[in-house]
Amino acid sequence: DIVMTQTPLSSPVTLGQPASISCRSSQSLVHSDGNTYLSWLQQRPGQPPRLLIHKISNRFSGVPDRFSGSGAGTDFTLKISRVETEDVGVYYCMQGTQFPLTFGGGTKVEIK
Amino acid sequence: EVQLVESGGGLVQPGGSLRLSCAASGFTFSSYWMSWVRQAPGKGLEWVANIKQDGSDKYYVDSVKGRFTISRDNAKNSLYLQMNSLRAEDTAVYYCARWTRPFDYWGQGTLVTVSS
Repeated sequence: DIVMTQTPLSSPVTLGQPASISCRSSQSLVHSDGNTYLSWLQQRPGQPPRLLIHKISNRFSGVPDRFSGSGAGTDFTLKISRVETEDVGVYYCMQGTQFPLTFGGGTKVEIK
Repeated sequence: EVQLVESGGGLVQPGGSLRLSCAASGFTFSSYWMSWVRQAPGKGLEWVANIKQDGSDKYYVDSVKGRFTISRDNAKNSLYLQMNSLRAEDTAVYYCARWTRPFDYWGQGTLVTVSS
């Protein structure tokens, strides 16, 4: 199974400042079709998860451009350029390259 | 608008059974893989099962193999999860999600509590 490791566990951020979350996979996420199926999800308090980014860096419909994804192979990063109040929540990376599908443990973004 | 609405959760004793349902609307249900993902109280996300468009392929996390069965009825735009031999560690909110590699749409979830 592919293990997804996220750091940090918690990220206290000042409003308007950037935030960065790292995600590392235990093996390459490059699929045989050439795509890398790494996605990022946001879960606000009391809400279901919501897709932010797919295939490393593609923002999903309606996602603000302050969210960006980067990386390759086994190392990936989610960045929020300027944190807003509505960004508070837990962020998960997830690999869809092979079964079983696996998630990172989550990173809690909170306002200082 | 894509909508996924789960139902069927509740309190069940260890060893019991429960069947979850997910009603889909706003998209051509029969054209998509579908999934169940769960979240234990205060914990992270765990993928449970996936089913192909016509039901011919199914995948499960090891911890539920032999106990849970994912199925679908494309005529009713519905996804199901039959859960047997339930254990305390199956206690979680169960989400229905559309699988396009990633999970692009999620339902609100239904809570399953396994306790005596």
